[in-house]
Amino acid sequence: GENVEQHPSTLSVQEGDSAVIKCTYSDSASNYFPWYKQELGKGPQLIIDIRSNVGEKKDQRIAVTLNKTAKHFSLHITETQPEDSAVYFCAASSGAGGTSYGKLTFGQGTILTVHP
Amino acid sequence: DGGITQSPKYLFRKEGQNVTLSCEQNLNHDAMYWYRQDPGQGLRLIYYSQIVNDFQKGDIAEGYSVSREKKESFPLTVTSAQKNPTAFYLCASSDGPGQGHGDTQYFGPGTRLTVL
Repeated sequence: GENVEQHPSTLSVQEGDSAVIKCTYSDSASNYFPWYKQELGKGPQLIIDIRSNVGEKKDQRIAVTLNKTAKHFSLHITETQPEDSAVYFCAASSGAGGTSYGKLTFGQGTILTVHP
Repeated sequence: DGGITQSPKYLFRKEGQNVTLSCEQNLNHDAMYWYRQDPGQGLRLIYYSQIVNDFQKGDIAEGYSVSREKKESFPLTVTSAQKNPTAFYLCASSDGPGQGHGDTQYFGPGTRLTVL
């Protein structure tokens, strides 16, 4: 089955700096890669996702890049703010589109702390 | 106001007791999922359902049971057979395949279960 590794497990940055979180996956059939942000005591919220036919996607201060050859994808947050502090999870699925439901496999999470 | 609701937010159980966690969605999504989250770990899939009256085991189904009698509801029962039930439980839902983004899962706020 799919295995997703996420690094680093903790990340501390100063306000205004950039933050990068990286994930690798094992199943070459995976074709959908979402990123979730989870605040303390709450459910994860989808912040951005990318499909395998795209190499990069951007939404304001957040961007995701995908390298299918190397089987890794990354989350980039620019101009970080204290409210970006949370746990971030990557995930991978091999069922995007078609007639099947994609089962998500999650990384272990990254605790991001943005210092004012 | 569309979304996924879970109740209760906090739940305490004595050892040996079964307990049922509620999950309701009004997004008209076909698929629903239950995940377990332990401190410092990613989300692990317990059960999922793609359609009413049908469900499949996930990666850690032992000691849990589910039902899907209505499209909008997917309750999870934590049985006394679950040896280590204390955890944060998350419910999610997604649209059906063929809807363009069947893999995109949206999460509820979670239920924190503590066994006393």
